[in-house]
Amino acid sequence: KAGVTQTPRYLIKTRGQQVTLSCSPISGHRSVSWYQQTPGQGLQFLFEYFSETQRNKGNFPGRFSGRQFSNSRSEMNVSTLELGDSALYLCASSFLAGANEQFFGPGTRLTVL
Amino acid sequence: KNEVEQSPQNLTAQEGEFITINCSYSVGISALHWLQQHPGGGIVSLFMLSSGKKKHGRLIATINIQEKHSSLHITASHPRDSAVYICAGVSGGGADGLTFGKGTHLIIQP
Repeated sequence: KAGVTQTPRYLIKTRGQQVTLSCSPISGHRSVSWYQQTPGQGLQFLFEYFSETQRNKGNFPGRFSGRQFSNSRSEMNVSTLELGDSALYLCASSFLAGANEQFFGPGTRLTVL
Repeated sequence: KNEVEQSPQNLTAQEGEFITINCSYSVGISALHWLQQHPGGGIVSLFMLSSGKKKHGRLIATINIQEKHSSLHITASHPRDSAVYICAGVSGGGADGLTFGKGTHLIIQP
């Protein structure tokens, strides 16, 4: 089975721009969770999607949004980028919803200049 | 607020040593994940446990629900075990996502 894939792997943007990151889960997995990792804050939960519905969201501003498609692929979008949004963005898929065993993708490293 | 605290933050040991990483968590967390992150960012899920003990190869994870404490042990450590180990708590039955510890940076010297 192919693992979780994320595209792109690296991205450089400037302040004020917006960005869309993509995550393809393991075949058959219907839950996709997104996380942000920075040196200062460590790993933080962004949101989880299950069967095209957002189940929950972490403590992030409305500039961070996401969606999930019928094939379980998910995208997250960050609008009006700030320098502090520079981070590694990880997605993880699981068969069940609710923080069960998760399989992580390699991440997208976003740099905001 | 759900919290997860790990110790130590950094750990350097010699090959073959027995390693213990600790994780304490707050009320409201019902299960814990142990994750391994290698340089470059890739994360591997090692264990998810809500009670007792789990073992996989040289890795052992235990959890004490009453004391709200979990440990990850590595027996016969090897340089390839060098990585960041992160514990993450499940709260709200999973409805609130994961709450992460700051991680333990482990270096095993040959």
